Formats: sequence, structure tokens, C-alpha cells
Amino acid sequence: AQTVTQSQPEMSVQEAETVTLSCTYDTSESDYYLFWYKQPPSRQMILVIRQEAYKQQNATENRFSVNFQKAAKSFSLKISDSQLGDAAMYFCAYRHPQGGSEKLVFGKGTKLTVNP
Amino acid sequence: DAGVIQSPRHEVTEMGQEVTLRCKPISGHDYLFWYRQTMMRGLELLIYFNNNVPIDDSGMPEDRFSAKMPNASFSTLKIQPSEPRDSAVYFCASSWGFGGSPLHFGNGTRLTVT
Repeated sequence: AQTVTQSQPEMSVQEAETVTLSCTYDTSESDYYLFWYKQPPSRQMILVIRQEAYKQQNATENRFSVNFQKAAKSFSLKISDSQLGDAAMYFCAYRHPQGGSEKLVFGKGTKLTVNP
Repeated sequence: DAGVIQSPRHEVTEMGQEVTLRCKPISGHDYLFWYRQTMMRGLELLIYFNNNVPIDDSGMPEDRFSAKMPNASFSTLKIQPSEPRDSAVYFCASSWGFGGSPLHFGNGTRLTVT
């Protein structure tokens, strides 16, 4: 079974600085997708970024980028120029596109605090 | 695009009562997921549907939980009878296709069973 591990329960960063959140996963598949979701105190789950395993190029979305290391099964999220609004729980997630197994598997999350 | 709509937003009930949570997925999405979130266990998948058919219900805790999707625009998650350990936030999410399509989540229902 696929598992997703986020080893940092909590992280903090100064406003305008850069922070990297770690995520590793376990799978025997070669074709899959990885996601980062953000959950602010409002509890809404918001998609931050998505990565296809078959793409070597790391995904970027404005201030958010990933470092995808397929061989190491690592998928870290970098937030540049951190803003107060980035404070939230961040969840790493894995999805395998196979019939009967399309569920999204989540890590336990990392709570990010942004200090002014 | 109205997004995934869940109701109610909050539900407080007494142990032993029946609870029904409702979800309207995004129009055109063919996958629907029910997740439960607790501090101890994080986000757990309870069940998911494809084209209104349950595909994987292995995450449903026990027979007290049941889920239905009578049509493409509506799903329910029912707990009968409810217990205090069922207290959690329940999320509904939908997606189009599988694999790379991201899940779009509703705002969740916070259930408190006293």
C-alpha cells in the first residue's frame, strides 16, 4: 500500500523568507501524481501544486515550487517570499491512476507558522 | 463554478442518534470521495464512487457507516447510531477522471457527538 510521510509536524518561517516542507512516499508504481494541499484555519482544502511522476521538470506555481526526486521518492515544497497568509497546515498527497485505486493518500501534515 | 457543496457545516448530536451528511459534487465530475479528518488519524478515505458506483469502501469504519450516491449530483454519508468517537470533520471531494486530476474539496462538516 502506498504511504506518504511528512516528517516535520511543525515549521516556522519569517515573513519574506523561504521555507521548505518535506515529504517522502512509498510506492512500487512508476506512474503516479503528487500534490500539495493547504488547509488554513477555515479548514478549506486548497490545491497548491501538482506534479506528474513522468515529468522530470519540477512544477512551479508563483511563489510555490517543488523539488521532485523520483528515485529518492521525495517531493518537497518550497515557499518563497513567505507571507502571513501562507500560515496553514500543508498536506502532501499521492494518487495512482489505476482503476480501483484512484484514491488520494495523504500525509499527516505540517503546520506552518509565518512570523511577522 | 459553485464548487463542492456540503451540508450542514456543523452538526451536534447525541450518542445513538442518526446523522446524515450531504454532498453535491461539481457538475461533470465523475469521482466522489468521502474523507474523515481527526487530529489522531489525519485524513482518512472512507469511501469513493466512480459514476455513482462505490469502488472502494474499505475505509468505512464499521457497519454503522453507510454512503450512497443515487445520482451524479448528490451523495450522503450516514452514521447510525452515532458514537462520540465519530466526532471529526468529514470532507466530500470530487474530481474529473482519475490520476492527475486534483480533488476539489467541500468546506467539510464538523460533527460533534456528545
